[in-house]
Amino acid sequence: ETGVTQTPRHLVMGMTNKKSLKCEQHLGHNAMYWYKQSAKKPLELMFVYNFKEQTENNSVPSRFSPECPNSSHLFLHLHTLQPEDSALYLCASSLQGDEQFFGPGTRLTVL
Amino acid sequence: GQNIDQPTEMTATEGAIVQINCTYQTSGFNGLFWYQQHAGEAPTFLSYNVLDGLEEKGRFSSFLSRSKGYSYLLLKELQMKDSASYLCAVRDRNTGFQKLVFGTGTRLLVSP
Repeated sequence: ETGVTQTPRHLVMGMTNKKSLKCEQHLGHNAMYWYKQSAKKPLELMFVYNFKEQTENNSVPSRFSPECPNSSHLFLHLHTLQPEDSALYLCASSLQGDEQFFGPGTRLTVL
Repeated sequence: GQNIDQPTEMTATEGAIVQINCTYQTSGFNGLFWYQQHAGEAPTFLSYNVLDGLEEKGRFSSFLSRSKGYSYLLLKELQMKDSASYLCAVRDRNTGFQKLVFGTGTRLLVSP
């Protein structure tokens, strides 16, 4: 596969569930990002990883926990989410500060 | 902080030209990006401006005026497939070269 892939594409979970989103990039990039996209709101940066090290946490609640085991993989672990966390979660990657390439996103619904 | 404004929605006709504006306020401007996002799909990179002037790329062009805090995306010879949201994003050297702040996007509807 090429580009940036994300799984699952759709996820429905209850507020007491624990789930994980996965992102993989096949572009040889060294930076990876998580964004949240809600209806009628701007794309919102959540986390940035450079060479597996977290370099940005944009005041994200602790119920979202990122993990970056290597430069090609990024996870977002979810637990005790709220209905207002329902959104499209997008992963992106880049070579340093160059343009970011986005994955197709995971559409999350919290019941 | 940063403030980015774009029109919420625009309509245009197939074959026409449309200009999507973006204004921004940032203390350490370090580049502006335009992305296209079709409904239900990933945003895809269109253009990057860091110096004043016009960058042309096929049917799409992007313009930047740093002194005015203003950019536009120009789409020529519109096609139905150009119906999408267009996102303007700004980078600020004070917040890091990887942190992009996005506008809410402009939804463009192209009609026959």
